[in-house]
Amino acid sequence: DAKTTQPTSMDCAEGRAANLPCNHSTISGNEYVYWYRQIHSQGPQYIIHGLKNNETNEMASLIITEDRKSSTLILPHATLRDTAVYYCIAFTGTASKLTFGTGTRLQVTL
Amino acid sequence: NAGVTQTPKFQVLKTGQSMTLQCAQDMNHEYMSWYRQDPGMGLRLIHYSVGAGITDQGEVPNGYNVSRSTTEDFPLRLLSAAPSQTSVYFCASSRQGSHTSDTQYFGPGTRLTVL
Repeated sequence: DAKTTQPTSMDCAEGRAANLPCNHSTISGNEYVYWYRQIHSQGPQYIIHGLKNNETNEMASLIITEDRKSSTLILPHATLRDTAVYYCIAFTGTASKLTFGTGTRLQVTL
Repeated sequence: NAGVTQTPKFQVLKTGQSMTLQCAQDMNHEYMSWYRQDPGMGLRLIHYSVGAGITDQGEVPNGYNVSRSTTEDFPLRLLSAAPSQTSVYFCASSRQGSHTSDTQYFGPGTRLTVL
C-alpha cells in the first residue's frame, strides 16, 4: 500500500471550511484513498473514500487530483465536534489490513 | 444494532498474566481485525480474520493469539502479558473486502495497562 504524508496538525475556526491535505505520490492505479477520523481516543470513524473522482457525502468532500498523487478532505463547516485526528490511507486489498499513520490533528477553535 | 462491542473497557494486569479481550459484532460482517494504539501513535494491525475459521497475522502479532469460531466473535488472547503490551486495543469489522463497501466499523476500545 502506498505511503501517505499528512501535516502533523492544523487549526480551523469554527464555521469555516477545514481543508486537510494528503500526499500519496506513489499510489498505484487500483489503490483507493480512504479517510478516517478518531475523536479523543474513541475508535476510528469512517468518513469517505474515493478512487479517481471527487466524492461527497453528508460528512465531507474528497478532492483527488487528476494525477492521483494527492487529495484533500474538506469539512465544509467545521464545528468543535470535528476536533480529531484525521487519517488518510491509500490501499488495496481487504479492509482488515488498513494501515494507519499518525494522521493530522485538527483543532477547531471558536 | 449494537455494532462492534468490546469488553472490558479497562484492564490492569501484572507481568506474566494472561487474559482475553472480547470483541463481538452483530452486523454479520465477514472481516474482523485487532489493532493496538500506543500513545501518540497510529493504529497497528495485530491479527485479522477474513471469515470464521480463518485468521492471519498483521504487523505486530507477537505475544497475541486469535481464533474465529463464529462470525460474530473474534477474541484476542494475551499469552503472557508484558509492559510493552500496555496500549489501547481496538477491534474492527467490515462486510467484505470489496472497495465498494470496505468501511471498517471500530469498537470503543479496551485500555490495557501491564504493570
